[in-house]
Amino acid sequence: AQKITQTQPGMFVQEKEAVTLDCTYDTSDQSYGLFWYKQPSSGEMIFLIYQGSYDEQNATEGRYSLNFQKARKSANLVISASQLGDSAMYFCAMSFAGGYNKLIFGAGTRLAVHP
Amino acid sequence: DVKVTQSSRYLVKRTGEKVFLECVQDMDHENMFWYRQDPGLGLRLIYFSYDVKMKEKGDIPEGYSVSREKKERFSLILESASTNQTSMYLCASSHQGGGQPQHFGDGTRLSIL
Repeated sequence: AQKITQTQPGMFVQEKEAVTLDCTYDTSDQSYGLFWYKQPSSGEMIFLIYQGSYDEQNATEGRYSLNFQKARKSANLVISASQLGDSAMYFCAMSFAGGYNKLIFGAGTRLAVHP
Repeated sequence: DVKVTQSSRYLVKRTGEKVFLECVQDMDHENMFWYRQDPGLGLRLIYFSYDVKMKEKGDIPEGYSVSREKKERFSLILESASTNQTSMYLCASSHQGGGQPQHFGDGTRLSIL
């Protein structure tokens, strides 16, 4: 069965520093996708970044990058130059082939950015 | 921009009531999803639909049903609301095909008293 594990319930980082949010996954499928979403206190879920299992390069979107280590089944999110507005819940999620883009979510990590 | 609109931001209902949560998307997405979000559990899939009138159970369908009569609209129904259904409910939609991100509504915080 597919599973996403986020082991850090809460993290904090100083403004302008980089931070890594951990995500490990479990699947026996060869084809799958990994997503990161941000949920500010207002509640909306914001799509950040996507990595396909066959993508050889790590995905990047602005200050977000995904550190994809397939053999270790990890897909950590790296946020560079943290900003106060980055304070939010962050969810890692996985989709799988033939799954109609259904997502399996981790429990989330709450990030606090301190000035 | 993709817009997924949920009918209510906050909703308070009584035990035993039939509750309808509505979701509308404006991007012609084939797939639509209903999740519930509880602290420490992340988001859990209740039901999803990949076409009009088509629906599939997710991980926690008990006590819920859904309806998709039009492509843009996906309704979640609590047949007889119970206090353990107090939660945040999130609707999402996406195109079919690998790598397509889901786009979410703002959520409905439902309290069952």
